[in-house]
Parts: sequence; C-alpha cells; structure tokens
Amino acid sequence: DGGITQSPKYLFRKEGQNVTLSCEQNLNHDAMYWYRQDPGQGLRLIYYSQIVNDFQKGDIAEGYSVSREKKESFPLTVTSAQKNPTAFYLCATSPGTGTYEQYFGPGTRLTVT
Amino acid sequence: SQELEQSPQSLIVQEGKNLTINCTSSKTLYGLYWYKQKYGEGLIFLMMLQKGGEEKSHEKITAKLDEKKQQSSLHITASQPSHAGIYLCGAVLRDSNYQLIWGAGTKLIIKP
Repeated sequence: DGGITQSPKYLFRKEGQNVTLSCEQNLNHDAMYWYRQDPGQGLRLIYYSQIVNDFQKGDIAEGYSVSREKKESFPLTVTSAQKNPTAFYLCATSPGTGTYEQYFGPGTRLTVT
Repeated sequence: SQELEQSPQSLIVQEGKNLTINCTSSKTLYGLYWYKQKYGEGLIFLMMLQKGGEEKSHEKITAKLDEKKQQSSLHITASQPSHAGIYLCGAVLRDSNYQLIWGAGTKLIIKP
C-alpha cells in the first residue's frame, strides 16, 4: 500500500509544549515538504528537503524544526516558540527529477490550547 | 499568495450547471498544477499544464493554460455533488526557486 502517511490525524497539546508531527512515505521520492494551511488561505511552506540530511527553510519556518535522517521520514516539530501553532499541517513529496508535481498526505490537525 | 490569485474565493452552483475557476499569476508561469481538497483532508492532484494553449481534461473537468495572460482556468461541466470541495492552483514561477507557489483556493459548493 503505497503513499504518504501522517500521524496522528488529530493532535491536541497544551501551550508551551513541543509536539512532533510524523510524515512517512514509501514512494521513494527525494523531496519532502511541510505546509501549514489556515482557513481561507493557501498553503504556506514551512520547510522542505530535497535530499537526506539536508533541508531548507520555507516562508514561515520560525518556531518549527525538522530533520531528514532517512529518505522515508521527515518529522516536523512545532516548538513552544511558534506563536500561533493551531492549524492543519500537510506533508508532501515530489520525485525531484524534473517534475514539480507534489503528492500529499492526509494531514494532521493540531490544536493547541 | 499575492503572486497567484484565485477567483472566485467561493462558489455556490446548482447541480448540473457549469462553472469556471481562474488562477492568475503576477509572474511568468513555468508550470501550473490544479489540486482538489475535501475539507480536513490532503490534496488530490488533478492536472498539470506547462505549455501555453495547453488544455487537459479529466472526466468533466477541463483545465487550460493561457500563457500570455499568465492565467489558467478550470472548467467543470454539468457539476455533481462529488465536485464539491476546495480547488487550489499551484505554480512554479520565475524567481520561485522551483518551489510551488499556491493560490488561496476556491471553495465550491454544489446545491442539489
């Protein structure tokens, strides 16, 4: 069963706590992305990684951190420094070989109170 | 993103009617991607357009790319309840460092 998995689907945390969102893929894609989606807005890029052990900041990286130790995995940590962390988080992958088409996971809805 | 504008923001259409959603870029387009999203779910890829004048169809959904106008349109013929959702366009633009820039999305509601 190929694809991208994000877990959990819903996540609740108290303010001041760090939380890690999981993203796993078995598509053998080189590139992976994390986006944040807020109501009425498009996708905003948080971080992306084009190869293992390398990643770049997107437009809204402040308060977030990532790692890419394995090709299959690209976890996102939402730190307590992120001022408004409640949002829908989407992970995506791309083959990275001459195509920009992205494939998306089902998303994680994070609520911080 | 102001670089990629989608219109309208939302649309309510009677079932069976046709509709059009537009995606306009402020910069040269190197590729335009249409996705559909159901509420609370991930994005599903619909179509990719790269060349000016290109037109693609999938079932009752047709997308066209007008390179001169830096615009793409998504047209749905004889809309059905299954077409309801949010439609997003993403594009690779000049100066976007080969990353997709996204429109804000168009929310489509189909009235029975």
